[in-house]
Amino acid sequence: GEDVEQSLFLSVREGDSSVINCTYTDSSSTYLYWYKQEPGAGLQLLTYIFSNMDMKQDQRLTVLLNKKDKHLSLRIADTQTGDSAIYFCAETGIYGNNRLAFGKGNQVVVIP
Amino acid sequence: NAGVTQTPKFRILKIGQSMTLQCTQDMNHNYMYWYRQDPGMGLKLIYYSVGAGITDKGEVPNGYNVSRSTTEDFPLRLELAAPSQTSVYFCASSSHRSQETQYFGPGTRLLVL
Repeated sequence: GEDVEQSLFLSVREGDSSVINCTYTDSSSTYLYWYKQEPGAGLQLLTYIFSNMDMKQDQRLTVLLNKKDKHLSLRIADTQTGDSAIYFCAETGIYGNNRLAFGKGNQVVVIP
Repeated sequence: NAGVTQTPKFRILKIGQSMTLQCTQDMNHNYMYWYRQDPGMGLKLIYYSVGAGITDKGEVPNGYNVSRSTTEDFPLRLELAAPSQTSVYFCASSSHRSQETQYFGPGTRLLVL
């Protein structure tokens, strides 16, 4: 089955870089996703990476995928106060039908 | 486009009461989903639908029912509310393309007392 693991809490100073990690134990995922959830809101897609890629960069966001170790990370450069949120990684896994398996989320708090 | 809308935003139920959480999307998406989010936990899939007239159970379907009579609407029904169903419920939709993201509604916060 699918088991997506994430660490829980990260505090970072404004302007610094933040790195959020995610591991999965059993997957034939085609795509892996990073979602952002701001307080009181639904989830919003930040970025995704195809499983045959090692890295994807999108402005301040860098996604690294180590398929051998089943490790996914999200680096946010020049972290802003608006980046304070909960970040979820998700994978399509073996479910098909566009179903996603989500990690528990990582809360990022940006200190001004 | 309004995207995915959910009503109500917040509801308090007594144990044993029933209610329907509404979800509507205007993006003509085939796929729709219901998740629940408990504190400190990720999202757990309750039910999903791949098209009108078709629904399937997710990870945690017990105590819930769904229907999909139209492409746009995917209501979630709680027949006998229990305290364990206190949670935040999110509806989402996506197109048929596998890389397409799921679009989430703003959520319904439910408290069962």
